[in-house]
Amino acid sequence: EAQVTQNPRYLITVTGKKLTVTCSQNMNHEYMSWYRQDPGLGLRQIYYSMNVEVTDKGDVPEGYKVSRKEKRNFPLILESPSPNQTSLYFCASSPQGAYEQYFGPGTRLTVT
Amino acid sequence: SQQGEEDPQALSIQEGENATMNCSYKTSINNLQWYRQNSGRGLVHLILIRSNEREKHSGRLRVTLDTSKKSSSLLITASRAADTASYFCATWGDMRFGAGTRLTVKP
Repeated sequence: EAQVTQNPRYLITVTGKKLTVTCSQNMNHEYMSWYRQDPGLGLRQIYYSMNVEVTDKGDVPEGYKVSRKEKRNFPLILESPSPNQTSLYFCASSPQGAYEQYFGPGTRLTVT
Repeated sequence: SQQGEEDPQALSIQEGENATMNCSYKTSINNLQWYRQNSGRGLVHLILIRSNEREKHSGRLRVTLDTSKKSSSLLITASRAADTASYFCATWGDMRFGAGTRLTVKP
């Protein structure tokens, strides 16, 4: 089944404890992206990747890191999480940048 | 900053009625896309309209695009309770989403 998977789905952590949210797609898509969703603000793009080893900042990249070493994986790294990073995070992929995106199920992160 | 902005923020209708949502954006675009999100779940792509297209249909969905006004509308005809969800527009130039329209369809 073609899909985007994210892990974990739910995570509660403490300020400053490094964490990684994994994202994987099995559709051989070139484009991958991370978003955060907060009430009243819609989805805001954190980082995106047009292809392997190519990543770019979105609108809200501060406090996040990404890497794209393989085509299928695009992990999101929070080196030192803070409470303002409490949010619902989505990974998405697309055949290429301008095409429709396929979204993962989301990761609900709480930072205390 | 957000590119697409949906209007209204919330819409409540009866089953069988039509629902119209609007989206405005600020800069030139390559295409505009509409997505649906059921309560806290991942977004699902509905329809994509390119900048050189004016109207597109998919089942009960009709999308229009007016690049001179930088606006788009999504019409859902003969709505069903299962259409209850949030609807987002997203523009490609950069991939930016609006805050969404929350549609409630009452049985």
